[in-house]
Amino acid sequence: AQKVTQAQTEISVVEKEDVTLDCVYETRDTTYYLFWYKQPPSGELVFLIRRNSFDEQNEISGRYSWNFQKSTSSFNFTITASQVVDSAVYFCALFGEGGKLIFGQGTELSVKP
Amino acid sequence: NAGVTQTPKFQVLKTGQSMTLQCAQDMNHEYMSWYRQDPGMGLRLIHYSVGAGITDQGEVPNGYNVSRSTTEDFPLRLLSAAPSQTSVYFCASSSRPGGAGELFFGEGSRLTVL
Repeated sequence: AQKVTQAQTEISVVEKEDVTLDCVYETRDTTYYLFWYKQPPSGELVFLIRRNSFDEQNEISGRYSWNFQKSTSSFNFTITASQVVDSAVYFCALFGEGGKLIFGQGTELSVKP
Repeated sequence: NAGVTQTPKFQVLKTGQSMTLQCAQDMNHEYMSWYRQDPGMGLRLIHYSVGAGITDQGEVPNGYNVSRSTTEDFPLRLLSAAPSQTSVYFCASSSRPGGAGELFFGEGSRLTVL
C-alpha cells in the first residue's frame, strides 16, 4: 500500500528564515512519481513540482528547492528566505503503479512579518 | 480557457438527501479524479477515471458514485448524504495517461450535511 507522511502539522517562521517541509513516503513500486502542491488561504491547489523515481537530482526553482532521497524515502521541500506570501498549506503526494495519487496530511506554514 | 469547472461551489443538504457535484474540464484530459479535504486528513481520493467508460475506487469510495460517459465530464453522486460527508470536494484532471502528471484542480465545492 502507498502512504505519504508529513509529520509537521504546523510550522511558524519569521520572514527571511529558511524552512524545510518534510515528506516521507512508502511504496513497493519501482516506478512512481512524487509531487508537491501548495494551497494558499484562498483555497485553490497549485502544482509546484513533479519528480519521478529514477531522477534523484535535487531541484532548485528560485527560493524553492527539493531534496529527493530514495535511500530514506524522503522528498523534502525547502523555502529559502521565506516571505509572507509563502504562507499556505503544502501537500506532498505520491503516484504509483496502482494509478492512484495519494496525498499526505499537509503542513500548514505560517510566515510572520 | 476554463480548465476544471466544479458546480455548485456551496451546497447544504439534509441527511438522506442525494445530490450530484458536477465536474467538467475542457483540456481533453483522460484522467479525472475526485478528492475530499477534511481538517487534519489532507486530500483523500474518492474515485478516479483513466478515460471515458472507466472508473475505479480510491481510498474513501463508500457513499459516493461516479460515471464517466464523456471525456469532459466526471460527476460525483452522493447517494444518501450523511453528516460525515461534510467536506470540501475537489475535482482534478491530468493530461498524462493514468494520472501521473500534474493535476489541474477545480476551485472546490463546499458541502454541508445537516
